[in-house]
Amino acid sequence: AQRVTQPEKLLSVFKGAPVELKCNYSYSGSPELFWYVQYSRQRLQLLLRHISRESIKGFTADLNKGETSFHLKKPFAQEEDSAMYYCALRGSGNTGKLIFGQGTTLQVKP
Amino acid sequence: DAGVTQSPTHLIKTRGQQVTLRCSPKSGHDTVSWYQQALGQGPQFIFQYYEEEERQRGNFPDRFSGHQFPNYSSELNVNALLLGDSALYLCASSQLRDSRFYGYTFGSGTRLTVV
Repeated sequence: AQRVTQPEKLLSVFKGAPVELKCNYSYSGSPELFWYVQYSRQRLQLLLRHISRESIKGFTADLNKGETSFHLKKPFAQEEDSAMYYCALRGSGNTGKLIFGQGTTLQVKP
Repeated sequence: DAGVTQSPTHLIKTRGQQVTLRCSPKSGHDTVSWYQQALGQGPQFIFQYYEEEERQRGNFPDRFSGHQFPNYSSELNVNALLLGDSALYLCASSQLRDSRFYGYTFGSGTRLTVV
């Protein structure tokens, strides 16, 4: 079964602390993984995708096929990073369907 | 560019009624997908429309149907509403070029409450 699991509903850290938002997936083929972010009162927006191998707003994520994980990391959290973060998977082939995890609320305290 | 626009923003309906939600995709996008997001959950894929046809469907009953118009805008229809249909309905548009997926742009959603 295709599934995305984000084990933490809430992650609370202090400003300047490292952040790691966990994402594990279940998929038999070669998926494409994404992180989406939703800031307060804003719409869902793409943060990064694994095929781009880029760093956005200081966040990075590496696809670990052995552990079927795609954890989101940032070395030093900022208050403006406080938001809801969703990990999502897109299956191989010509499909637009995204499978989302339940989301993790990141709270960065001053 | 207004991005993806959805209407209405909020809606209250009674059990058993029918509802139509509307979506205009981002300029240049030709594919529209609909997602249901229940409270505290991640979005769940309902279906996707391209070239005015349903290309892919998630695990939703036939009460959920849709349409795409020649201008790429789309409607989501839900018949015989149940209390469990209360959710945020998200529209996401994308561009299908050379059969490749270039990522979604999401709308702000329509909050449907069934009483």
